[in-house]
Amino acid sequence: GENVEQHPSTLSVQEGDSAVIKCTYSDSASNYFPWYKQELGKRPQLIIDIRSNVGEKKDQRIAVTLNKTAKHFSLHITETQPEDSAVYFCAASMGNNDMRFGAGTRLTVKP
Amino acid sequence: DAGVIQSPRHEVTEMGQEVTLRCKPISGHNSLFWYRQTMMRGLELLIYFNNNVPIDDSGMPEDRFSAKMPNASFSTLKIQPSEPRDSAVYFCASRRGGTEETQYFGPGTRLLVL
Repeated sequence: GENVEQHPSTLSVQEGDSAVIKCTYSDSASNYFPWYKQELGKRPQLIIDIRSNVGEKKDQRIAVTLNKTAKHFSLHITETQPEDSAVYFCAASMGNNDMRFGAGTRLTVKP
Repeated sequence: DAGVIQSPRHEVTEMGQEVTLRCKPISGHNSLFWYRQTMMRGLELLIYFNNNVPIDDSGMPEDRFSAKMPNASFSTLKIQPSEPRDSAVYFCASRRGGTEETQYFGPGTRLLVL
């Protein structure tokens, strides 16, 4: 089955700096890679996703890159703000199968 | 759209009691997922259903856990008997399916077993 690894487990940045979170996956058949943000005491919510037919996707300050050959994908947050502080999860899935999540990255943005 | 609905939102029970968690997926979604989240183990998939049929229950911890989906709009996760180590937040998520692969999470049920 699919195995997703996520690094780092914790990340602290100064407000305005960029943050990068990286994930690797094991199943080359995986073709859908979402990123979720979970604030304290809340549910995970989708912030951006990418499919295997593209290498990069951007949405304002958030971008995701995918390297299918190396089987890794990354989340990039630019101009970080205190409200970006949360736990971020990457995930990978293929078709209508289940989705495997990474262990999460706790991002802290210091004002 | 009301989103995924879970009940109860909080549950406190004593060891040995039966616990039933409930989930109503988003209308029109054909897949439903049950997850458990703890600090130690992160977000774990317990079981998922496609078109009300259980597809993979390999994540269910042991026979004390069972899940059902009697129809497209309702699912239950039951723990009997409950143990303190079952204390966690249990999330239900649903997915439309087909080309729509995004999972939408419910608010979760915070379970505490004393």
